[in-house]
Amino acid sequence: EPEVTQTPSHQVTQMGQEVILRCVPISNHLYFYWYRQILGQKVEFLVSFYNNEISEKSEIFDDQFSVERPDGSNFTLKIRSTKLEDSAMYFCASSDHVGGSTDTQYFGPGTRLTVL
Amino acid sequence: AQSVTQLGSHVSVSEGALVLLRCNYSSSVPPYLFWYVQYPNQGLQLLLKYTSAATLVKGINGFEAEFKKSETSFHLTKPSAHMSDAAEYFCAVSGESNYQLIWGAGTKLIIKP
Repeated sequence: EPEVTQTPSHQVTQMGQEVILRCVPISNHLYFYWYRQILGQKVEFLVSFYNNEISEKSEIFDDQFSVERPDGSNFTLKIRSTKLEDSAMYFCASSDHVGGSTDTQYFGPGTRLTVL
Repeated sequence: AQSVTQLGSHVSVSEGALVLLRCNYSSSVPPYLFWYVQYPNQGLQLLLKYTSAATLVKGINGFEAEFKKSETSFHLTKPSAHMSDAAEYFCAVSGESNYQLIWGAGTKLIIKP
């Protein structure tokens, strides 16, 4: 069964450094998402991406964040200058959205980001 | 605005007993509701979803959920708990106007032998 994959599974970085989290969505999917979960808190929506542009973003997704689909398979989340509060599990998801917002979002296993 | 409340951060049941995980939602538009499960060290997996068809929705692994508009609830049940059901369960809502999922805080299900 096709699945969403994410690399790395764990990333440790120093405050102020740039990080890139990578995701390979399911191959025929059209919509891509990033969510995050700070330890002990709710899963939070960051951004959705369709047709090579951001379709929605939350207040969390400020200028420090960017997303890109550099080729036909990868979907990346870049944090330009990491802060301590960026430490979280980051989940990538994809959906085909044939039917709209009822379509299932398929999630990857997550990348645990630790900012020191 | 939409929100989800899951009652109980931890629920403990004996193996073979009924599982009931509670989810209440708030939505100004007709909601689409989802239950996801997260096993230790794994990603989020869809259990079931409500998309305005049947109010009783059956999912994987013997789980089901009933949409009750009058109670703004979408509780998850399973008649007989298995040790393999131990995981964290998340309720989420999305609306017609956007595709983002709004999540509850999650309920950790503990199964006692």
